[in-house]
Amino acid sequence: AQTVTQSQPEMSVQEAETVTLSCTYDTSESDYYLFWYKQPPSRQMILVIRQEAYKQQNATENRFSVNFQKAAKSFSLKISDSQLGDAAMYFCAYRSPGRGAQKLVFGQGTRLTINP
Amino acid sequence: DSGVTQTPKHLITATGQRVTLRCSPRSGDLSVYWYQQSLDQGLQFLIQYYNGEERAKGNILERFSAQQFPDLHSELNLSSLELGDSALYFCASSRRGAGATTSGANVLTFGAGSRLTVL
Repeated sequence: AQTVTQSQPEMSVQEAETVTLSCTYDTSESDYYLFWYKQPPSRQMILVIRQEAYKQQNATENRFSVNFQKAAKSFSLKISDSQLGDAAMYFCAYRSPGRGAQKLVFGQGTRLTINP
Repeated sequence: DSGVTQTPKHLITATGQRVTLRCSPRSGDLSVYWYQQSLDQGLQFLIQYYNGEERAKGNILERFSAQQFPDLHSELNLSSLELGDSALYFCASSRRGAGATTSGANVLTFGAGSRLTVL
């Protein structure tokens, strides 16, 4: 079974600075999808960014980018120019592409605080 | 608004009772997933339906059951409730459920959740 580990329960960063959230995963599959979801105080789960494992290029969405290291099974999220609205719980998630279970497997989350 | 609608938003009930949580997926989405988020267990996958059929089952208790109806909405039934069942229950939907390869097809869109408090 796939597992996802986020080793940083909490992180904090000064507004306008850059922060990197770590995520590692364990799988025997060669093709899969990785995601970062954000959960602000409203509790809504919001997709931040996604990465297909077959793509070597790291995904980027505005101020959010990932560092995908397939061999190391690492998938970190970098937030540039942090804003107060970025404060939230961030969850890393793994998904298999096959015809079997399509569920997302989540890490335990990292709580990100933005200091003004 | 994510397009995934969950009702009720909040529910308070007593131990031993039964409740039903409802989810309407995004228009065009065939798969529905249920997740439980509690403080000590994180986000746990419960069950997935695809076009009316059960596709995958996670750590769902026998006291819990779900179904997806022909109009694709889904219901999660929780019975003989215990204090430990207090949690946020999320529904998510995706465009496809099997072997999807088109861009975006594997993305799960979440509803706002139903917060269940068992007293």
